[in-house]
Amino acid sequence: GENVEQHPSTLSVQEGDSAVIKCTYSDSASNYFPWYKQELGKRPQLIIDIRSNVGEKKDQRIAVTLNKTAKHFSLHITETQPEDSAVYFCAASWDKGAQKLVFGQGTRLTINP
Amino acid sequence: DSGVTQTPKHLITATGQRVTLRCSPRSGDLSVYWYQQSLDQGLQFLIQYYNGEERAKGNILERFSAQQFPDLHSELNLSSLELGDSALYFCASSVAPRQDTGELFFGEGSRLTVL
Repeated sequence: GENVEQHPSTLSVQEGDSAVIKCTYSDSASNYFPWYKQELGKRPQLIIDIRSNVGEKKDQRIAVTLNKTAKHFSLHITETQPEDSAVYFCAASWDKGAQKLVFGQGTRLTINP
Repeated sequence: DSGVTQTPKHLITATGQRVTLRCSPRSGDLSVYWYQQSLDQGLQFLIQYYNGEERAKGNILERFSAQQFPDLHSELNLSSLELGDSALYFCASSVAPRQDTGELFFGEGSRLTVL
């Protein structure tokens, strides 16, 4: 069935360094890959997304890369800041049957000053 | 503020009881989704409604049910509650019927504690 694996579960980096979170998905029919950020006690919010016909997408300090052959996609955050501390969720959507969005287990990112 | 309203914010109840969680989507959004987030767990998709009709189903237990009303608000009913049902329940909404057409707007969640 549809499955999304996310690694690492926790990540701690020094302020100013880069952070990378990786996800793999199980079904080659996936076509949409969003990333959501959930600050402590808050709701998840979309930060960036990518579709299967694109290999990379950037938005200021964040970028997402997609490798459809290997069935994995990654979130890159450069020049990390304290406000980047949050739980990040990747997700994948399947374009068949009862189409739905499946989330990874989340990565708790801590930025150390 | 996402525009999605969930009530109640917090709910404490006992095992075996039944509760109803309510969600009002953003103005103009026709799709409503329900997700369960247990401690240190990801977002588990439960069910989606689009314009009053069930659109997609995830890992929703038979003890749980949902519906979307003509005014587009949705309710998630949880019955015969067990300790393991304690979680944060999120509602999200979007304009389109498909979950890959853009952002899902989440509410602040309803935290359910079953004692």
